[in-house]
Amino acid sequence: DAGVIQSPRHEVTEMGQEVTLRCKPISGHDYLFWYRQTMMRGLELLIYFNNNVPIDDSGMPEDRFSAKMPNASFSTLKIQPSEPRDSAVYFCASTPNLRGGYTFGSGTRLTVV
Amino acid sequence: QQQVKQSPQSLIVQKGGISIINCAYENTAFDYFPWYQQFPGKGPALLIAIRPDVSEKKEGRFTISFNKSAKQFSLHIMDSQPGDSATYFCAAKAQAGTALIFGKGTTLSVSS
Repeated sequence: DAGVIQSPRHEVTEMGQEVTLRCKPISGHDYLFWYRQTMMRGLELLIYFNNNVPIDDSGMPEDRFSAKMPNASFSTLKIQPSEPRDSAVYFCASTPNLRGGYTFGSGTRLTVV
Repeated sequence: QQQVKQSPQSLIVQKGGISIINCAYENTAFDYFPWYQQFPGKGPALLIAIRPDVSEKKEGRFTISFNKSAKQFSLHIMDSQPGDSATYFCAAKAQAGTALIFGKGTTLSVSS
């Protein structure tokens, strides 16, 4: 298996622009997570899905952030409009169940200038 | 109550030495405690994990020690090697439908 695949690896955008991050989970994994990593706050959970349904979005910072999972093999995290404080590394992770650990993708480094 | 507090923030160890990273939690509902290893430019990777029914788990040079009464757990890396230089995260979760909560990470440097 190719693991969790995220794209793009790097994204540089101007403040106010829309940004879309993409994730393909491991096939057969029913749970998908979006985390954000910064030096100040570490790894923060933004949202997670079970069987394509959002279960907990309490970590989504504000209405500028939205996430979707239209099918079992694809999820997006959208920021509109983007702000410099959104600069971070965004990770997607998946797992077959909630009993064990997660497999993380390599992340998307977002820079908003 | 949902926090996992990790220390130290950074650690420098000589090659062959023992690296020790500590984590503390408050939520007694937590029942799964993994450690993740992250290299620059990569995502975190599961290293070792423990459940509260045992006090210690060892996998090669990596050992988790778990103290349920103190609500603390730690990662010990024996015979530390330069290749162990990475950022280490502890995490915890409760069984019922919650996601992993991570500590803020420890950057380990093993000098040769």
